[in-house]
This record gives sequence, C-alpha cells and structure tokens, in this order.
Amino acid sequence: SSELTQDPAVSVALGQTVRITCQGDSLRSYYASWYQQKPGQAPVLVIYGKNNRPSGIPDRFSGSSSGNTASLTITGAQAEDEADYYCNSRDSSGNHLIFGTGTKVTVL
Amino acid sequence: QVQLQESGPGLVKPSETLSLTCAVSGYSISSGYYWGWIRQPPGKGLEWIGSIYHSGSTYYNPSLKSRVTISVDTSKNQFSLKLSSVTAADTAVYYCARSPYGPPFDPWGQGTLVTVSS
Repeated sequence: SSELTQDPAVSVALGQTVRITCQGDSLRSYYASWYQQKPGQAPVLVIYGKNNRPSGIPDRFSGSSSGNTASLTITGAQAEDEADYYCNSRDSSGNHLIFGTGTKVTVL
Repeated sequence: QVQLQESGPGLVKPSETLSLTCAVSGYSISSGYYWGWIRQPPGKGLEWIGSIYHSGSTYYNPSLKSRVTISVDTSKNQFSLKLSSVTAADTAVYYCARSPYGPPFDPWGQGTLVTVSS
C-alpha cells in the first residue's frame, strides 16, 4: 500500500518512555524518517535511516524498525517533547515519498 | 548553515495557478541534493508534492502530478512550485526542504500559508 498509519495521539508522564509507531507495507523495504512539529513551526528532523540523529537532537530520541512497523522512542520524555510527530518514507513502488498520518504526543 | 525561505502570494483565486519560490542560502543547489515541496492543510498532516534535482530531474506525487510543475534556477540558487487549477482544498502551509533522493527532508523552510479563495 502507499500509506503510513500512526496512532492519532499518545500521552506520556514526564520522565517516562513513549513509543510512537508507524505502519506500512513499504517499511518492509525502506527506513522511516521522523519529524517533530510544534504548533506554528516547521517540522524538524529527529531520526533518519536505521537510527541516526541529526546534530542537536537529544539522545533520548531513538528509532527502530521491525517488519512493516517503524518506531520512534522517547526515553525520559521532557515537557518540550510535546508535539506532533510524523514518519516519512518511500511508497511501495519506491518512486514516491509519503508521510504518516501523524501522532500528537502529550507530556503529562 | 543551509537556510530555505519560501515566498509568494498568500491568496490565490480558485482555478488560478499557485506560484511559490524557495530561496536557498548557505549551500549551492548545483552541489547536489534534491529540493522538495511539502504542504500541510490547516489542522491536517503533511503531504509531499514533489522534488527536483539541480539538473532539472523531477519526481512528483502521483495524486498531484497533473497540476504540478517544479523548476530550478541555479543562477539564483532557488527553485519554484507551480500548482494549477487550484481549489479550496489546496489551501495549506507550503514548505520547501532539502533531501537526498528520498527521505529525510532536512532542513525545512519556515513555511508560507497560501489561501485559495475568491
């Protein structure tokens, strides 16, 4: 399929761990990238490839993949991690790019 | 540090053509990478529109391909988006971003809101 499905919303207690998932057939062949988007701001890349963080991204963000599911884990969530998170990859043909439906993360 | 900045009209009439430009600073488009457009309707998710290489090679979202043209001007270090026959459904914040052939997109421009309304 050419879709990436994410849970609409998740919540996490301050300092705890949260996993955000992204499901799609193309993820069996391609890695997902992950973006954080805060209200009124452009998305920011937080994870790409197998499990790579751009410079400046805290190491509490990590990525993994298994089968048709990619995951973004925030270990020790902070108040500033409250945001929308989107996954991004290729579609099943490999020729086009798609985004996940997005997950709103609330830090309690 | 690479920076991207979108510019263009904030209001477009239905059936007309939306035109935006993304100016790149801190990096020469001719040096490589693809340069893409992504949009986000108010309150909704992200949608990839298409991307272009400095050579002019393009690839587009199949759902928009018939209405989209992306071009590059290496002399001005910028690239552009044209979306024809717009409707209210094309109202969105439009972002430009850099990527290899495929993900990830990094960095992004700040985005520009385009409203389609008469």
